[in-house]
Amino acid sequence: SQTIHQWPATLVQPVGSPLSLECTVEGTSNPNLYWYRQAAGRGLQLLFYSVGIGQISSEVPQNLSASRPQDRQFILSSKKLLLSDSGFYLCAWTGAQNTEAFFGQGTRLTVV
Amino acid sequence: GENVEQHPSTLSVQEGDSAVIKCTYSDSASNYFPWYKQELGKGPQLIIDIRSNVGEKKDQRIAVTLNKTAKHFSLHITETQPEDSAVYFCAAIKGSYIPTFGRGTSLIVHP
Repeated sequence: SQTIHQWPATLVQPVGSPLSLECTVEGTSNPNLYWYRQAAGRGLQLLFYSVGIGQISSEVPQNLSASRPQDRQFILSSKKLLLSDSGFYLCAWTGAQNTEAFFGQGTRLTVV
Repeated sequence: GENVEQHPSTLSVQEGDSAVIKCTYSDSASNYFPWYKQELGKGPQLIIDIRSNVGEKKDQRIAVTLNKTAKHFSLHITETQPEDSAVYFCAAIKGSYIPTFGRGTSLIVHP
């Protein structure tokens, strides 16, 4: 069966520090991968998506970047965190056409 | 691109009442409509879905209806329980395109 792992679950980082959040998918190949941020207000803001290794599309300009070094690995990074980067980050994947999105358990990032 | 509107943003009901959440979409080519439940501090989980060749689908206390002509779909929860309290998201998907999510509905079920 397919599973998605996202870590860490919680993270407290000082302003100006780097960030690396990792997401891996098991049990499928060539998934579409996504990073979302969920701030207060509940909406899912799409940050990045990837349709293949090394292929990253950014939906909003910001202090973050994403990479996909392997087929089932998706990484969200920042060189210098801002206070406004605080939020709940979710990784997700979709497979073949017309299928649901599977979400990771999320990372609660607090920048202090 | 696709645009999904979800209403209401907050829904408060008494235990045992029914709850209805409505979504509209803009792209008539969207053909898959999942609903997600997100509990506090967790990722969204699929609870029910419907495809464009079906008008209604039911799973115990949860049902989803789809009106392709009007481009709207709804989630119905009957006999609500306190554990139904969560944020619910609708989504519209067209082929392998990126899912488009509604902004979410916070459902509060009072005991």
